[in-house]
Amino acid sequence: NAGVTQTPKFQVLKTGQSMTLQCAQDMNHEYMSWYRQDPGMGLRLIHYSVGAGITDQGEVPNGYNVSRSTTEDFPLRLLSAAPSQTSVYFCASSNAGISYNEQFFGPGTRLTVL
Amino acid sequence: QQQVKQSPQSLIVQKGGISIINCAYENTAFDYFPWYQQFPGKGPALLIAIRPDVSEKKEGRFTISFNKSAKQFSLHIMDSQPGDSATYFCAASIKGGSEKLVFGKGTKLTVNP
Repeated sequence: NAGVTQTPKFQVLKTGQSMTLQCAQDMNHEYMSWYRQDPGMGLRLIHYSVGAGITDQGEVPNGYNVSRSTTEDFPLRLLSAAPSQTSVYFCASSNAGISYNEQFFGPGTRLTVL
Repeated sequence: QQQVKQSPQSLIVQKGGISIINCAYENTAFDYFPWYQQFPGKGPALLIAIRPDVSEKKEGRFTISFNKSAKQFSLHIMDSQPGDSATYFCAASIKGGSEKLVFGKGTKLTVNP
């Protein structure tokens, strides 16, 4: 199993550009989520999904869009990139429905917005 | 509003010493408290977790102590090793699952040889 994979590893955007961060998991997990990690801020939840076709907002959803058409994939879209979105983005998945289940994180995408 | 407060921000210990990281939470609905370990350039990985029905959980050199009345929990790393040097995050969630984890701000641990 590859676990949770993310592409690209690094990305540089100009203000106003749009892009999609890809996330895939091969563990048949129902639950997937996106976090951003900023220095001294920990990880903050952007969006999450409890299954295909179901998404919801987390703590910091503004400027981001998600969709979940399959169990395996959960892409994160930046509609119009801003310097404040410079961050490291982590995708995670877990087996929802099992109490106290582990959330598995991908390796991250480091995004710089100029 | 920060729901999980973590301290210290950074910690330096000597090899063989004890590392202690503390977290406090506000939401009494939290019922799952994991600790994640993150090495540079990597994603966080679950280290150890505890539920509020126990006061302590030990896995090897890593121990979580939990004080429900004080709404505090801590990570103790015994016999700290240079390989333990990483950033540690405490977290919390409700409904017994890891969904919608709320993270502390992290502690950068350095273990000197």
